[in-house]
Amino acid sequence: QVQLVESGGGVVQPGRSLRLSCAASGFIFSSHAIHWVRQAPGRGLEWVAIIFHDGSRTYYADFAEGRFTVSRDNSQNIVYLQMNRVRAEDMAVYYCVRDGRGWNFDYWGQGTLVTVSS
Amino acid sequence: QSALTQPPSASGSPGQSVTISCTGASSDVGGYNYVSWYQHRPGKAPKLIIYEVTKRPSGVPDRFSGSKSGNTASLTVSGLQAEDEAIYYCTSFTVKNKFVFGTGTQVTVL
Repeated sequence: QVQLVESGGGVVQPGRSLRLSCAASGFIFSSHAIHWVRQAPGRGLEWVAIIFHDGSRTYYADFAEGRFTVSRDNSQNIVYLQMNRVRAEDMAVYYCVRDGRGWNFDYWGQGTLVTVSS
Repeated sequence: QSALTQPPSASGSPGQSVTISCTGASSDVGGYNYVSWYQHRPGKAPKLIIYEVTKRPSGVPDRFSGSKSGNTASLTVSGLQAEDEAIYYCTSFTVKNKFVFGTGTQVTVL
């Protein structure tokens, strides 16, 4: 079955960096784009970024542009989200999500919590 | 990118129907047939229930249906059941290859 397992969350100081990972299994990883979606405490879902199936293209939400970088290793079935210059408002649960090849989010991980605190 | 607009809450008795709207713009909802809907229960990962405006993934009951008119998409849940109580989010593909979520609607089964 499709599984997406995030890791790398934790406490990070404002202005510092953090790298999230997402290990995928149960499907042909190199055939699917992968998204990152987040949910801040008490807030709704918010799209963060997408990386195409072959890593050729990436797109970011405005708040992530220039600070976050998404990458993937199709030989290891892993996607990364590098978060730089982290801000208080980046505190959230970050979900790794498979694109169902119709610009939808068909399988979700359980999420990893990023806490921003000095 | 502003979030799509959804009503904060909707409710109905068991067996009734509720319809949730999702209003965007011509740059997102109105411009593409890539609107999808998600059911999010507390402590669980969101679940895809409608994609490409009207399509249901396998395993999703046909009580869930989607539609779109202009810049507004809608999700209808017919024959409400207690298990349908959750927060529902819409999302749309947008110009510049980005995505935007709706503000979320809490559905309560009375």
